[in-house]
Amino acid sequence: AQKITQTQPGMFVQEKEAVTLDCTYDTSDPSYGLFWYKQPSSGEMIFLIYQGSYDQQNATEGRYSLNFQKARKSANLVISASQLGDSAMYFCAMRENNNNDMRFGAGTRLTVKP
Amino acid sequence: KAGVTQTPRYLIKTRGQQVTLSCSPISGHRSVSWYQQTPGQGLQFLFEYFSETQRNKGNFPGRFSGRQFSNSRSEMNVSTLELGDSALYLCASSWEVRPAGQFFGPGTRLTVL
Repeated sequence: AQKITQTQPGMFVQEKEAVTLDCTYDTSDPSYGLFWYKQPSSGEMIFLIYQGSYDQQNATEGRYSLNFQKARKSANLVISASQLGDSAMYFCAMRENNNNDMRFGAGTRLTVKP
Repeated sequence: KAGVTQTPRYLIKTRGQQVTLSCSPISGHRSVSWYQQTPGQGLQFLFEYFSETQRNKGNFPGRFSGRQFSNSRSEMNVSTLELGDSALYLCASSWEVRPAGQFFGPGTRLTVL
């Protein structure tokens, strides 16, 4: 069963505007971690932000913030003040405490327009 | 602190050959995972090693194998290569405490002709 769903194959945003990338997940494990990665055309996966299932506050890392809605099982990534260098594939991922592997969504290709 | 390194970065092989890819994790990380990324299937988990033992394995045929050494460096091997094995192979390392984030290497792009 698909555990991570990213419903937006592609997104466009104007430079300097904010954008939200959607992610929903499915798990019965009460302890899990949610992650967002950026993959530019070079191929390397770059870790952006982490949210633990027991964290009370939404995670933030610079221009990245995670809108964590546990009851809805969603973990949307918000990028503020978009820059041209933000153009890349973005992957949402989950790692359950009882599972050793990381499950990834299909990804969203973000294009920042000047 | 140095990141995850993978060698080689690019590889071209022909059908039927075998290939070995190498991954050196971040210093202090004992967990190493391997993923295959293709345009059609996305990112798929291959296997994870921890302290020289395979802890988990994805749904791949037995042609895909791996191992981990005492210094946490890991290798994966693909025997009898098929055209469909052409992909970006990513290695990631992490702390042993779960759930924990994984830090990825730059990947090895394998092309099978």
